Amino acid sequence: GAVVSQHPSRVICKSGTSVKIECRSLDFQATTMFWYRQFPKQSLMLMATSNEGSKATYEQGVEKDKFLINHASLTLSTLTVTSAHPEDSSFYICSARDLLMGQGLYEQYFGPGTRLTVT
Amino acid sequence: AQSVTQLDSQVPVFEEAPVELRCNYSSSVSVYLFWYVQYPNQGLQLLLKYLSGSTLVKGINGFEAEFNKSQTSFHLRKPSVHISDTAEYFCAVSGPNTGGFKTIFGAGTRLFVKA
Repeated sequence: GAVVSQHPSRVICKSGTSVKIECRSLDFQATTMFWYRQFPKQSLMLMATSNEGSKATYEQGVEKDKFLINHASLTLSTLTVTSAHPEDSSFYICSARDLLMGQGLYEQYFGPGTRLTVT
Repeated sequence: AQSVTQLDSQVPVFEEAPVELRCNYSSSVSVYLFWYVQYPNQGLQLLLKYLSGSTLVKGINGFEAEFNKSQTSFHLRKPSVHISDTAEYFCAVSGPNTGGFKTIFGAGTRLFVKA
């Protein structure tokens, strides 16, 4: 089946530093990747959509200069949280879609998530 | 805009009892519906999906859901739950009305199975 990995699974960083989270599709080509943010006991909030080789499309209210997304290859997307602050602490989940797979337009495959804690 | 409503934020149930988690969506025009489960500190796992065809969809772990177009519902059911089913369950919708087939999630329902 389609597998998506994220690295790291947990990260703690100091306020003001930047942290990068990687999302990889292990056995398929991810033409589109999505980044979500999830606060404790809440639903997933879509932050941005990225297509390989093009700029990410951010949802309303998401600061594109703070959450840098790069989708340089068909198997890797990265989310960099720049100048992190405690309020950026959250669970970040990526997902990937392969438009070439049978039902690729409709189905997303989710990574295991990354717990970011900013101290 | 498309939206998803999960009517219950928490559902406590005893082990081996049946359970139904309710989900309603805002439009029946070309929707694709999903149920995901999330265990603590983990990502989402797809339980089942409705794209077309039979309105009764069977998924993993003994779960099933029924697409009801007239009531714009997609309730999740299991005839007999286990302790291990304790988790957060998300209903989601995708389609041409979700901004390019983005997936829109409901707020989630916490299923708590008691011994």
